[in-house]
Amino acid sequence: NAGVTQTPKFRVLKTGQSMTLLCAQDMNHEYMYWYRQDPGMGLRLIHYSVGEGTTAKGEVPDGYNVSRLKKQNFLLGLESAAPSQTSVYFCAGKTRQGNTGELFFGEGSRLTVL
Amino acid sequence: SQELEQSPQSLIVQEGKNLTINCTSSKTLYGLYWYKQKYGEGLIFLMMLQKGGEEKSHEKITAKLDEKKQQSSLHITASQPSHAGIYLCGADTDSWGKLQFGAGTQVVVTP
Repeated sequence: NAGVTQTPKFRVLKTGQSMTLLCAQDMNHEYMYWYRQDPGMGLRLIHYSVGEGTTAKGEVPDGYNVSRLKKQNFLLGLESAAPSQTSVYFCAGKTRQGNTGELFFGEGSRLTVL
Repeated sequence: SQELEQSPQSLIVQEGKNLTINCTSSKTLYGLYWYKQKYGEGLIFLMMLQKGGEEKSHEKITAKLDEKKQQSSLHITASQPSHAGIYLCGADTDSWGKLQFGAGTQVVVTP
């Protein structure tokens, strides 16, 4: 099993460009999440999904869009990248088992916006 | 929203020494998770605590949740180079599995 896989691992963008980060999981996770990690700020939730075809905003959703057309995939899009979106992005998944349970994380995608 | 404060922000410990990291919440914790992150890598799940007074151990790492369920500690006994990394605590925020994270504690283990 590959677990939670993120692509690409690294990307450099110019301000105003667009891009999509792909998160793919083979762990049958119902719930999926996109976080960003910045120095001194821990991880902050961008968007999340509780099932195929559903998405919801997290703590810092502005400037991002997401889609979950298939259960296995959760896409994070930046329509017009800004330097403030320079960060490391993590995707995570979780199975529906009551109200608690660990998140399984991908290895991260490092994005630099010039 | 729930805020998690971790202390210290960073620490340097000599190999073989013990260390403790704290995670304090402004609200009652219903699920507290400890993760470890090596530089440039994803987060690895360590332990989860739910009940007041609960304590769990795995190899040389022990995590505790206080009776009031507002503070957790992570203790490493006889630290080794493999214990170096960033340790993050995370807390359940609702029934959708979303976790709120602390800022992390960077641990450096010196020879």
